[in-house]
Amino acid sequence: QQPVQSPQAVILREGEDAVINCSSSKALYSVHWYRQKHGEAPVFLMILLKGGEQKGHEKISASFNEKKQQSSLYLTASQLSYSGTYFCGTGAPGGYQKVTFGIGTKLQVIP
Amino acid sequence: NAGVTQTPKFQVLKTGQSMTLQCAQDMNHEYMSWYRQDPGMGLRLIHYSVGAGITDQGEVPNGYNVSRSTTEDFPLRLLSAAPSQTSVYFCASSPWTANSNQPQHFGDGTRLSIL
Repeated sequence: QQPVQSPQAVILREGEDAVINCSSSKALYSVHWYRQKHGEAPVFLMILLKGGEQKGHEKISASFNEKKQQSSLYLTASQLSYSGTYFCGTGAPGGYQKVTFGIGTKLQVIP
Repeated sequence: NAGVTQTPKFQVLKTGQSMTLQCAQDMNHEYMSWYRQDPGMGLRLIHYSVGAGITDQGEVPNGYNVSRSTTEDFPLRLLSAAPSQTSVYFCASSPWTANSNQPQHFGDGTRLSIL
């Protein structure tokens, strides 16, 4: 089952903050975040693992709530370059890197 | 360092034709996968492989075949193209671990139209 992302779309002015949520109907083990600009490939942002390990982007933070089966991506002081579609994906233990992605959140930052 | 290379970048096919989308990576990654991306549906996993000779189905495998004879290559075959297979196809690779804790590296995609 695909994780559910919210909101589906958001428009920000430069400098504003945004939160993108990712909820799973299954117990979370790992959450992967990617950003995709129009016409380009998805680019890795961050991985959060059960137990607190985190790998990723220095200017973007995220949380992992095992109890709520939810992860949130925090974009602070947004820049024009943050525009794109953000995907969360969930992995499973023993899942051998198999990741199931949500449908994405389209973020547009305007001047 | 080329990373993940997909060919062709664009392709138009007629219904019923077959073709192979190529994917090659030069990072010695064990795990490789194919996704299709359709508007409003995100990235959906078609097939994946954890090493040479080992493949498995993802969420939407019907109409597609894969094989993995080498670590570097993971081609995706459309046996008899249908308009519903019009999509953007992405190949991705990552080091293999049992813990889903490695980032995936995506190719630039193949834009496929079936008429």
